[in-house]
Amino acid sequence: TQLLEQSPQFLSIQEGENLTVYCNSSSVFSSLQWYRQEPGEGPVLLVTVVTGGEVKKLKRLTFQFGDARKDSSLHITAAQPGDTGLYLCAGERAGNNRKLIWGLGTSLAVNP
Amino acid sequence: DTGVSQNPRHKITKRGQNVTFRCDPISEHNRLYWYRQTLGQGPEFLTYFQNEAQLEKSRLLSDRFSAERPKGSFSTLEIQRTEQGDSAMYLCASSLAGLPFDEQFFGPGTRLTVL
Repeated sequence: TQLLEQSPQFLSIQEGENLTVYCNSSSVFSSLQWYRQEPGEGPVLLVTVVTGGEVKKLKRLTFQFGDARKDSSLHITAAQPGDTGLYLCAGERAGNNRKLIWGLGTSLAVNP
Repeated sequence: DTGVSQNPRHKITKRGQNVTFRCDPISEHNRLYWYRQTLGQGPEFLTYFQNEAQLEKSRLLSDRFSAERPKGSFSTLEIQRTEQGDSAMYLCASSLAGLPFDEQFFGPGTRLTVL
């Protein structure tokens, strides 16, 4: 059972387009992290969201945590080829022993 | 501090051989995690340490896998009698316990190919 569902699994868009990636669960998380991973490298932490309804912005990236802390979204405005990579969400469940629950990732390709 | 480092970056071995990977975490981090990742998938949890104590090991992990963190700093992951199915990227991450949430910082990974 995959506790964190990410959608879409694959996304190929043209430079300049906007996109949204979703991370959904039936479980409540005390925090949720978004990571970006390039081929052959480890994931790089982008942001952590903690409070229900929280919105964080990182340049052209906007992250939102659902009010119930069960889901999250990542919106990229005016995508650039440098945004290409695997986007992963990972949630920390309340009361868990700090083991993150990982989504399977969204593979994004931004074509020039 | 340059972040989490892993060695080697790449390892090619023949089936049946033993391999050992090393991870050096961020110096002040007391938690250390090992993950395995196959192409296009998210990281799969293997095990984690707090200081030198191994607190959890995945039930999916074969007895051929063992990890140590003897002095609470660097860690090693050994795979005995490697199989082709062990081919994957092995990732190490570290974090600091005691914070309100667990932000893990990853190394570049060790790519294992079993022939």
